[in-house]
Amino acid sequence: DTGVSQDPRHKITKRGQNVTFRCDPISEHNRLYWYRQTLGQGPEFLTYFQNEAQLEKSRLLSDRFSAERPKGSFSTLEIQRTEQGDSAMYLCASSPDRVNTEAFFGQGTRLTVV
Amino acid sequence: DAKTTQPNSMESNEEEPVHLPCNHSTISGTDYIHWYRQLPSQGPEYVIHGLTSNVNNRMASLAIAEDRKSSTLILHRATLRDAAVYYCIPRTVRGATNKLIFGTGTLLAVQP
Repeated sequence: DTGVSQDPRHKITKRGQNVTFRCDPISEHNRLYWYRQTLGQGPEFLTYFQNEAQLEKSRLLSDRFSAERPKGSFSTLEIQRTEQGDSAMYLCASSPDRVNTEAFFGQGTRLTVV
Repeated sequence: DAKTTQPNSMESNEEEPVHLPCNHSTISGTDYIHWYRQLPSQGPEYVIHGLTSNVNNRMASLAIAEDRKSSTLILHRATLRDAAVYYCIPRTVRGATNKLIFGTGTLLAVQP
């Protein structure tokens, strides 16, 4: 399978716990994006990596959120001290390093904070 | 970033054409117009994009107004599988990110 892979697909956690999500982009895609989507809304941009460098972070990405992309391959998104408001679908997308090229999205990780 | 206006929802019958409109009156001269769709419980998927000329691919056609303040995504023969939320996204080429900024899109229902 050469698509964007996200793991886990679903995560239920108690408020205050830490969670980590993983994204495996399409091989050789330099660009990697994280988005968050709540019910009835379009995906909201969180952060962007060019290879291993995190070049942009949205104001939505509070101090409790951190993302990494070591070695420019897979990426992780960690949420510390989860809150009920963090419940959402977290989407990862990747694309080649060309402007305006198609972005490929994974199926997302659905987080429920109880 | 350019703002977009799309109908919240539209309905179509199977095997009929569908025209999905989008207004983007504040679009920059260098912004491309991208369309993505999101099927239920899936991540968004690319549909088509263009700058000034009308564009066709195997999924759809994109008609862009001469003043570029609006565009229309055309599905020539809707199928049940086309039921999804369709997003119109002016995508800036300025800056390094080239990120997609989604609105709330149009929910397309296809009736058999």
